[in-house]
Amino acid sequence: GAGVSQSPRYKVAKRGQDVALRCDPISGHVSLFWYQQALGQGPEFLTYFQNEAQLDKSGLPSDRFFAERPEGSVSTLKIQRTQQEDSAVYLCASSPDRVGEQYFGPGTRLTVT
Amino acid sequence: AQSVTQLDSQVPVFEEAPVELRCNYSSSVSVYLFWYVQYPNQGLQLLLKYLSGSTLVKGINGFEAEFNKSQTSFHLRKPSVHISDTAEYFCAVSGRNSGNTPLVFGKGTRLSVIA
Repeated sequence: GAGVSQSPRYKVAKRGQDVALRCDPISGHVSLFWYQQALGQGPEFLTYFQNEAQLDKSGLPSDRFFAERPEGSVSTLKIQRTQQEDSAVYLCASSPDRVGEQYFGPGTRLTVT
Repeated sequence: AQSVTQLDSQVPVFEEAPVELRCNYSSSVSVYLFWYVQYPNQGLQLLLKYLSGSTLVKGINGFEAEFNKSQTSFHLRKPSVHISDTAEYFCAVSGRNSGNTPLVFGKGTRLSVIA
């Protein structure tokens, strides 16, 4: 069956540009997570949705980062006024709400020049 | 809060040899434990998980891990590796709460299998 998909797979942005990263979770999955993976590091939690409710956004590094999931399915992570330190792979994961079963997408590699 | 330490950033091993990837964690609450594998340009795939019960957990691709509460460890092992096991391996932990909680990952161990 279809897994988690993310688009675009690669994004190059000039410093100061806004970007929007899309995540299509597995159909019917209630929970959705965003993680940021810097080069050579493990993924780090950004934010978490249960259906359309954003239950935890404690990992968002600054107020330039914003995420939404308005209809409880597709989610968008938006980064305003991108900075070089935002360069990373952004991973989305969805879960049917059973412990541990987070299914990851392939990620979006963002490069800020 | 939880943290995860993967003691080896890189592990080279010859094909058909055994391998152990080490993982230690720290937490003030009880935890669930996971190992994920990441192949180049792909997302993370769950190898195995420990939720409760037997401390020896078997996963996909012949991997297994043992939860040791006293040593706060969850080391990953495979008795005989293949070239196709070459990848990045991440240990992760989440707090034992009701419902879904975010995963806290280690920095990863790059396993390189040599022919």
